[in-house]
Amino acid sequence: DGGITQSPKYLFRKEGQNVTLSCEQNLNHDAMYWYRQDPGQGLRLIYYSQIVNDFQKGDIAEGYSVSREKKESFPLTVTSAQKNPTAFYLCASSMDTPTNEKLFFGSGTQLSVL
Amino acid sequence: AQTVTQSQPEMSVQEAETVTLSCTYDTSENNYYLFWYKQPPSRQMILVIRQEAYKQQNATENRFSVNFQKAAKSFSLKISDSQLGDTAMYFCAFSLPTGNQFYFGTGTSLTVIP
Repeated sequence: DGGITQSPKYLFRKEGQNVTLSCEQNLNHDAMYWYRQDPGQGLRLIYYSQIVNDFQKGDIAEGYSVSREKKESFPLTVTSAQKNPTAFYLCASSMDTPTNEKLFFGSGTQLSVL
Repeated sequence: AQTVTQSQPEMSVQEAETVTLSCTYDTSENNYYLFWYKQPPSRQMILVIRQEAYKQQNATENRFSVNFQKAAKSFSLKISDSQLGDTAMYFCAFSLPTGNQFYFGTGTSLTVIP
């Protein structure tokens, strides 16, 4: 079945450590996104990518980095510069066709600080 | 700037009754897409319903329907015959046909009471 796979489901970060969240899709979608979800704040966009080897900052990109070396993969690194990383992270993808535009989501990664 | 506002942080409804969740948005664009996403306790985001702004007819999906008022920039979700499985956080969102940008509200937590 086609879909988006995020791993791990739970991740713990020590202070000063960089951690990487994985996101893989087999939907052949061009666009991929990373959102951060905090209680009461909805979804906030961290980064998005419309095409391989290109990505754009979202509203809260500071302390995060991404890469898009393959169409299927869009990993997110939470760097030590992100001082409040505890949150639920959602990866999503979409087709770049206006007639069928909608977001497909992965099952998320809960990141906590030790 | 594009914004989405959900003014009801929490709502409850008796099983088998009808409930309406409110959403307003702000954009200067004329063509866009509107969505309601459901996030149950599993935290998997699920698309409930989608509306294209150029279509006057309100979208329906089984027990879910919308009241789309373009001039008022309002997009409410009506859930008929509420079921226990409808208990979830509901997010209103919209996107523009270019740029692959999606904008989310802060969500409404709906509880269906048996």
